[in-house]
Amino acid sequence: SQTIHQWPATLVQPVGSPLSLECTVEGTSNPNLYWYRQAAGRGLQLLFYSVGIGQISSEVPQNLSASRPQDRQFILSSKKLLLSDSGFYLCAWSETNTGELFFGEGSRLTVL
Amino acid sequence: AQSVAQPEDQVNVAEGNPLTVKCTYSVSGNPYLFWYVQYPNRGLQFLLKYITGDNLVKGSYGFEAEFNKSQTSFHLKKPSALVSDSALYFCAVREYTGLQKLVFGTGTRLLVSP
Repeated sequence: SQTIHQWPATLVQPVGSPLSLECTVEGTSNPNLYWYRQAAGRGLQLLFYSVGIGQISSEVPQNLSASRPQDRQFILSSKKLLLSDSGFYLCAWSETNTGELFFGEGSRLTVL
Repeated sequence: AQSVAQPEDQVNVAEGNPLTVKCTYSVSGNPYLFWYVQYPNRGLQFLLKYITGDNLVKGSYGFEAEFNKSQTSFHLKKPSALVSDSALYFCAVREYTGLQKLVFGTGTRLLVSP
């Protein structure tokens, strides 16, 4: 069966520091991969999605970037964090045809 | 562009009573529709989906949803609510021929009282 792992679960970082959140999927090949951000425990904002290695689409201009160095690995990064980057970040994957997403457990980022 | 509306920020229901969480959508073509549930500080869990076929879709934990094309709605229902159903519920839509990404509603908090 397929599983998705996301880490770290919790992160507290100072303003201006770098960020790296990692997500890996097991049990499937060539998944679509996604990063969402959830602010204030409500709405989900799609940040990036990827349909293959090295293929990244950005939905919202921002201080963040994403990379997909391997088929089942998706990384969210920032060179310098802003206060507004605080939030709950969710990684997800889907199979190509159904579009149904499967989510990781999330990473809560607090920027101080 | 596709969009989803969840008109209620919160729904309150007594345990044992039926519940409905509302969702309406807008797409230019045929929709794929989904419901997810989120418990505090957790990721989203898939409940059910409508792709094609019967308008009444049954999902996990006794939930079901009815697709209504004329009203562009996909309301989530359960005949008898449990206290453990209390959570945040998200409706999502993807266009049938669109890019592989879902657009989510703003979420509805369901509170089931004992």
